[in-house]
Amino acid sequence: DAGVIQSPRHEVTEMGQEVTLRCKPISGHNSLFWYRQTMMRGLELLIYFNNNVPIDDSGMPEDRFSAKMPNASFSTLKIQPSEPRDSAVYFCASTMGGRTSNQPQHFGDGTRLSIL
Amino acid sequence: SQQGEEDPQALSIQEGENATMNCSYKTSINNLQWYRQNSGRGLVHLILIRSNEREKHSGRLRVTLDTSKKSSSLLITASRAADTASYFCATDASTNTGNQFYFGTGTSLTVIP
Repeated sequence: DAGVIQSPRHEVTEMGQEVTLRCKPISGHNSLFWYRQTMMRGLELLIYFNNNVPIDDSGMPEDRFSAKMPNASFSTLKIQPSEPRDSAVYFCASTMGGRTSNQPQHFGDGTRLSIL
Repeated sequence: SQQGEEDPQALSIQEGENATMNCSYKTSINNLQWYRQNSGRGLVHLILIRSNEREKHSGRLRVTLDTSKKSSSLLITASRAADTASYFCATDASTNTGNQFYFGTGTSLTVIP
């Protein structure tokens, strides 16, 4: 079991550029989550997919953020255009059974994003 | 917000001592989970306790849940330097907009060798 795989691990780019973060969930998991972690706001849920369908995107901060899950083994989080306040660590997590299941969420090691 | 609040925010102890951290939440829950996060890594699930359970053990970890006080505690016994990490509680709650899952603000634990 390779775990949740995120890429890139680090991303440094200038404001205004498009940023794409990638996630490969654990095979067999049907739920995927994107989180953002900052010192000020802690861990925030951005969007939740179940069976590749976005169920709750209420945490997406604004229209500059978008997420897709074209199949069960791949998801992307895109920021366009990026701004310095988007600097954070972005985590992807997956689980079986959905958001409120009794199964634990498995996290990737995150993408540390710095927008200059 | 259903977000849990951990207490203390930071804790520093000597190796071999016990570490206790607490989590308080605001509304009724279905279950509560504890996670650990090592520096530069993702969160790792430690233990889940259901709302009808009062105590659960896993190795050196002991979790208690008091639904009347809306609080939980995580005890790590005989701490080791490798326990240095941030610890988060996460609550699974039913709300009028559907079920929600929230992580708390975390306790940063430092175990001094």
